[in-house]
Amino acid sequence: GENVEQHPSTLSVQEGDSAVIKCTYSDSASNYFPWYKQELGKRPQLIIDIRSNVGEKKDQRIAVTLNKTAKHFSLHITETQPEDSAVYFCVVGSYDKVIFGPGTSLSVIP
Amino acid sequence: DAGVIQSPRHEVTEMGQEVTLRCKPISGHDYLFWYRQTMMRGLELLIYFNNNVPIDDSGMPEDRFSAKMPNASFSTLKIQPSEPRDSAVYFCASSGTSDYNEQFFGPGTRLTVL
Repeated sequence: GENVEQHPSTLSVQEGDSAVIKCTYSDSASNYFPWYKQELGKRPQLIIDIRSNVGEKKDQRIAVTLNKTAKHFSLHITETQPEDSAVYFCVVGSYDKVIFGPGTSLSVIP
Repeated sequence: DAGVIQSPRHEVTEMGQEVTLRCKPISGHDYLFWYRQTMMRGLELLIYFNNNVPIDDSGMPEDRFSAKMPNASFSTLKIQPSEPRDSAVYFCASSGTSDYNEQFFGPGTRLTVL
């Protein structure tokens, strides 16, 4: 079955710096790659997604890049702010399954 | 739309008791998902439905867990009998017309089994 890994599992950055979280997967048939953000005590919410026919997508301070050949994709957050502190989940989707990664806990230090 | 609605928000019960969690998806959404979240195991997909039909229940931990979706606006997740290791936050989520749409999560039910 599909194996989804995230690195790092925890990440601390200074406010204003960039943060990068990488996700790897095993099933080459996967073709949908969203990222969800979960703040402490709240529900996961979609922040950005990308499909396999696109290599990069940006939305203000966040971007996702996809390398389908190498089977990995990354979340990039620039100019980090304290409100970016949360757990970030990568998700790998195919026609019959959506699998959440284990999560990365991001702390932005003011 | 009020979003995905879950009830109860908190449930405390004793080992051996039956627990029923409820979910009302967003109107018009065809997919409904049940997740369990713990510190140890992260966010696990238990089961999902498409047009009220269970599609994949491979994540259901054991026979003590069952889920139903009798109509497009209501689903239940039942645990009978409950055990302390079932303590977790249970999320329900719904999405539109395909697996590839955004999943909208409910606020979750925090279950504590004593």
